[in-house]
Amino acid sequence: DVKVTQSSRYLVKRTGEKVFLECVQDMDHENMFWYRQDPGLGLRLIYFSYDVKMKEKGDIPEGYSVSREKKERFSLILESASTNQTSMYLCASSGTVGETQYFGPGTRLLVL
Amino acid sequence: QKEVEQNSGPLSVPEGAIASLNCTYSDRGSQSFFWYRQYSGKSPELIMSIYSNGDKEDGRFTAQLNKASQYVSLLIRDSQPSDSATYLCAVYTGGFKTIFGAGTRLFVKA
Repeated sequence: DVKVTQSSRYLVKRTGEKVFLECVQDMDHENMFWYRQDPGLGLRLIYFSYDVKMKEKGDIPEGYSVSREKKERFSLILESASTNQTSMYLCASSGTVGETQYFGPGTRLLVL
Repeated sequence: QKEVEQNSGPLSVPEGAIASLNCTYSDRGSQSFFWYRQYSGKSPELIMSIYSNGDKEDGRFTAQLNKASQYVSLLIRDSQPSDSATYLCAVYTGGFKTIFGAGTRLFVKA
């Protein structure tokens, strides 16, 4: 069974803190994605990775960075958390670009 | 800016009725089309994918694609209260980009 896991379901952080969100998939997928989801705005792509150590910026990369040192793991880093980064963060993976994406359970981040 | 548009709803239908969800997209070169269901507080999960014009049926679900008119729809027959969720339309436009609509909230009244 397809599985994407995320390190935390809920996080509360202070403004200015460095925040790490981790995502692991067990499907040997090449492609991994980080989205944020806000009411009325849908899913917005933050970063995409198509191979180990490879990454592409999505629509809203500002204030974020990513790391993919191993194929199964894709990390999202908020360098200095701000209140406007309070959101639901969703990780996804796919075997082929343009095919079905499998989502993790999401991390709801609150930045105070 | 490539876009995927959905009516935000809520769409309310009685149990047993047909629910019809619609989505339009702006990029004529779009290649693959997906419907995801998202329950409140949960992550999206795939219901159906469709790649060519026409209808594709899977159980109570039918996806319809019309590339000339740039719309894709999802029909849910014999709607159940458990179908109450937000339905996301997603369109693969090429490169690494799949664009998601903001979703339509569906309520099925028992």
